[in-house]
Amino acid sequence: NAGVTQTPKFQVLKTGQSMTLQCAQDMNHNSMYWYRQDPGMGLRLIYYSASEGTTDKGEVPNGYNVSRLNKREFSLRLESAAPSQTSVYFCASSLQGGNSPLHFGNGTRLTVT
Amino acid sequence: TQLLEQSPQFLSIQEGENLTVYCNSSSVFSSLQWYRQEPGEGPVLLVTVVTGGEVKKLKRLTFQFGDARKDSSLHITAAQPGDTGLYLCAAPTGGFKTIFGAGTRLFVKA
Repeated sequence: NAGVTQTPKFQVLKTGQSMTLQCAQDMNHNSMYWYRQDPGMGLRLIYYSASEGTTDKGEVPNGYNVSRLNKREFSLRLESAAPSQTSVYFCASSLQGGNSPLHFGNGTRLTVT
Repeated sequence: TQLLEQSPQFLSIQEGENLTVYCNSSSVFSSLQWYRQEPGEGPVLLVTVVTGGEVKKLKRLTFQFGDARKDSSLHITAAQPGDTGLYLCAAPTGGFKTIFGAGTRLFVKA
């Protein structure tokens, strides 16, 4: 049982390049999320998808787009990467909202030079 | 803006010692969660507390939710090297949004 799988694990981009981070979950969860983690700032919500077919902005959505491809998959796209987007990105899923626990993938470490 | 402040930011102790880490806010929450994150991995849920004053135990870890539901503490008894990690508190804020504290990084020396 893989849980939440993220690819790639590491990525280096030059300013202005684009890339898509992939995430898939096999727990039949309804809701999926993208967070970024920066030193001293904790995890901040970028976008979330409450259910298949819906997406909504979180706390720090600027510079990102998302696609909920189906119930299993939720991708995050950086159209024109900036050094401020250097971070560790985590995908998570939950059965529903509210108090439902978040299940996280192992992250993608992104460096933008 | 709702914030969760964790203290201390960093803690280095010897195996066998006891410790307490704190999660504080000026906001009232319906519940509070604690996660542990190890290097190179995502956070993993340890516990959810939902009632003011609630105490939950997980082996050597004791979690308490403040009476006013604004704060929480995590106490570890007889810490072991396997307890090393980043401890994060988190609070659902309604709908599908959860806020996280910046974490307490714990290092337990053998």
